[in-house]
Amino acid sequence: GESVGLHLPTLSVQEGDNSIINCAYSNSASDYFIWYKQESGKGPQFIIDIRSNMDKRQGQRVTVLLNKTVKHLSLQIAATQPGDSAVYFCAERVTAAGNKLTFGGGTRVLVKP
Amino acid sequence: GAVVSQHPSRVICKSGTSVKIECRSLDFQATTMFWYRQFPKKSLMLMATSNEGSKATYEQGVEKDKFLINHASLTLSTLTVTSAHPEDSSFYICSARDFRSPGTQYFGPGTRLLVL
Repeated sequence: GESVGLHLPTLSVQEGDNSIINCAYSNSASDYFIWYKQESGKGPQFIIDIRSNMDKRQGQRVTVLLNKTVKHLSLQIAATQPGDSAVYFCAERVTAAGNKLTFGGGTRVLVKP
Repeated sequence: GAVVSQHPSRVICKSGTSVKIECRSLDFQATTMFWYRQFPKKSLMLMATSNEGSKATYEQGVEKDKFLINHASLTLSTLTVTSAHPEDSSFYICSARDFRSPGTQYFGPGTRLLVL
């Protein structure tokens, strides 16, 4: 899910189904990646992170996959719930260059009851 | 978990006035804080990196005289939008880095600025 044009791409998912949100990152030197969830009118909330020496990391109901070959990151949400409705951003960082995060365009997830 | 607060949560001001936004780390010390700007349905764009006791580092294209940043203590950074204009209307978000865990940023809830 990358930002295209003037609107956020939207993923509509049925409650209980699994969601997959994709992100293409730009900097091959990035070695740390984070997924954030942002609800309307609020700041980003940390979901899960992964370092470049890993290709998969699991949390509670979430899994992040990293494919460095094609510079692709994905977030999988299992058994999507209405409370998962939000905008999801990936962010990348080059640790040696400091702690500056570069955010992707975001994907809106709408959970249908 | 670490908490970052912002004040005010929303502000409406007249064109030409200045607005100050505060970012506080409530239960940890933050040697570095970051200020972001977010337009509707857009991603977060880093404006500047604020280091305690030193001058902020601004991203390319961000006017430092327009967006004044002060990081006078380990728990407080302020962003002042000077001579605000309607195009400055946006959602401003800060994040703070815990000096004990340098790789982690904690985000504030954001401040909605509307300039009339």
